[in-house]
Amino acid sequence: DTGVSQNPRHKITKRGQNVTFRCDPISEHNRLYWYRQTLGQGPEFLTYFQNEAQLEKSRLLSDRFSAERPKGSFSTLEIQRTEQGDSAMYLCASRRGQSSYNEQFFGPGTRLTVL
Amino acid sequence: SQQGEEDPQALSIQEGENATMNCSYKTSINNLQWYRQNSGRGLVHLILIRSNEREKHSGRLRVTLDTSKKSSSLLITASRAADTASYFCATFSGAGSYQLTFGKGTKLSVIP
Repeated sequence: DTGVSQNPRHKITKRGQNVTFRCDPISEHNRLYWYRQTLGQGPEFLTYFQNEAQLEKSRLLSDRFSAERPKGSFSTLEIQRTEQGDSAMYLCASRRGQSSYNEQFFGPGTRLTVL
Repeated sequence: SQQGEEDPQALSIQEGENATMNCSYKTSINNLQWYRQNSGRGLVHLILIRSNEREKHSGRLRVTLDTSKKSSSLLITASRAADTASYFCATFSGAGSYQLTFGKGTKLSVIP
């Protein structure tokens, strides 16, 4: 299967710990997105990469959050000093090309629980 | 922030019936997309409609877009139990932003 993959699928951590999630997009996709989804809500945009450049960040992305895509392939999302409010599903999506009409392909997500 | 607002929040129908979900949004858009999310799984893209289109079909799906009312509807005909999922509309403004803005979704239950 050459879809978007995310690891880990589940993460339980204690408040104050740091966590890192990984996203591997579809190989030919140069655009990568991170979203956060809480229970009963739709996904909320966090950040966007075109190749290795981070071109847009949401105001939701506080200083405790950092995302990288060092070689324009996989991406990592790190949350430092986690808080209970960070508990959510973190979704990664990728798409190809220049056109805004190309669909985004989503990964299965990483479910974070902060105790 | 959530731009799209789906209506109803939840919908329960019998297999074989049609299901209609509505979405309203606030700002001008480049395109509007509908996604499906099964319980515990990722989102799957269903259909995209451009701002200059009024209607689009894909299999049992029919999407309409009324930019004057800033609204869209998704019709699923002859529903099946496998259509049970949450459905989200998402808008892309294209105005210097790359993000998709999702609504809160409609939870559809199709009873066999």
